[in-house]
Amino acid sequence: NAGVTQTPKFRVLKTGQSMTLLCAQDMNHEYMYWYRQDPGMGLRLIHYSVGEGTTAKGEVPDGYNVSRLKKQNFLLGLESAAPSQTSVYFCASSYSSRVQPQHFGDGTRLSIL
Amino acid sequence: SQQGEEDPQALSIQEGENATMNCSYKTSINNLQWYRQNSGRGLVHLILIRSNEREKHSGRLRVTLDTSKKSSSLLITASRAADTASYFCATALPDSGNTPLVFGKGTRLSVIA
Repeated sequence: NAGVTQTPKFRVLKTGQSMTLLCAQDMNHEYMYWYRQDPGMGLRLIHYSVGEGTTAKGEVPDGYNVSRLKKQNFLLGLESAAPSQTSVYFCASSYSSRVQPQHFGDGTRLSIL
Repeated sequence: SQQGEEDPQALSIQEGENATMNCSYKTSINNLQWYRQNSGRGLVHLILIRSNEREKHSGRLRVTLDTSKKSSSLLITASRAADTASYFCATALPDSGNTPLVFGKGTRLSVIA
């Protein structure tokens, strides 16, 4: 099993460009999450989903949109990238409850010039 | 604001020594979890301790929880160079809504061979 797979692993964008980060999990998990990790800031939750077709805002949702059209996929979109969105983005999933352990992908390193 | 705060921020020890990391949190919890993050990788779940438990073991890991002090500690015994990583605590709030885990900023552990 692949677990949680994030695509792409690295990306460089120019300010104002848009892009979509893809997260796929093969564990039949209900819950999925998007985080950003910045030096000294720990993990901050951007958006999450409690099931197919649902999304909810996390701690730092501004500038990002998400969609969960299929249970196994959770997409994170940047409509107009800004340098402040330079970060490492992690996707995670958990089986059937928000209190259960999360399984993480290996991240997408995004630089915005 | 962060629910969980790890202490110390960084720790450097010799191989074979024990490493202790602490996590303090602010509100009541359902459970507390510890994760490890190797450089350039995603977080990996290590151990979960429920609010009605005081101590759990997993291999060389020992976790304690003191709900009266709102604190937890992670002890790694007989540390190895491979234990070099960042360690995060995450708290799950009691059953109310869908609030996901809240992660601390982590402790960077360096084990010197």
